[in-house]
Amino acid sequence: QQQVKQSPQSLIVQKGGISIINCAYENTAFDYFPWYQQFPGKGPALLIAIRPDVSEKKEGRFTISFNKSAKQFSLHIMDSQPGDSATYFCAARSASGTYKYIFGTGTRLKVLA
Amino acid sequence: NAGVMQNPRHLVRRRGQEARLRCSPMKGHSHVYWYRQLPEEGLKFMVYLQKENIIDESGMPKERFSAEFPKEGPSILRIQQVVRGDSAAYFCASSEGAENTEAFFGQGTRLTVV
Repeated sequence: QQQVKQSPQSLIVQKGGISIINCAYENTAFDYFPWYQQFPGKGPALLIAIRPDVSEKKEGRFTISFNKSAKQFSLHIMDSQPGDSATYFCAARSASGTYKYIFGTGTRLKVLA
Repeated sequence: NAGVMQNPRHLVRRRGQEARLRCSPMKGHSHVYWYRQLPEEGLKFMVYLQKENIIDESGMPKERFSAEFPKEGPSILRIQQVVRGDSAAYFCASSEGAENTEAFFGQGTRLTVV
């Protein structure tokens, strides 16, 4: 119940294309869903986040779509660029208990020039 | 405003030695999380601390691992009698509070046990 399932494990997209990464969760107590971007040898960097009271949040080329009834959320990267090549992690945080973050297993994105 | 600072960035220990990993949270942040990342894997929760308190240590191995976040100074993750399987990247994140706040990660400490 504490898991966050992320797919795909890896993704190759042409420059200018749309990258889509999906996550699903079971715990209805999760109330905050961030996405992190990680480059090799670096720490995860907060990219964008959403709360379940909205269905979509957009920041620049990055959009989170959230489906509360399906308990799914996804990251869309529009006009993908080679510089977007990184590993992306979705996460979820519980509104009850200890507020710890549970992470998905990550998606390695490669954007071809 | 400096970000989350972790040191050392790289740490090599022989089997049986102790490893001490330090994390200084962002200014104004009183909540610290420790995560472990194995190569090609995700981030596994280890422990969540507030100043002087361990809030959730459900991800910490029962033996050899401990964490603290004293009133003054950085948070410390201590691994005693390290084994090769402890080799991983250890990341610390901090947040201002529990609710309605974002967590920011440090650059990590890469521990290698030889």
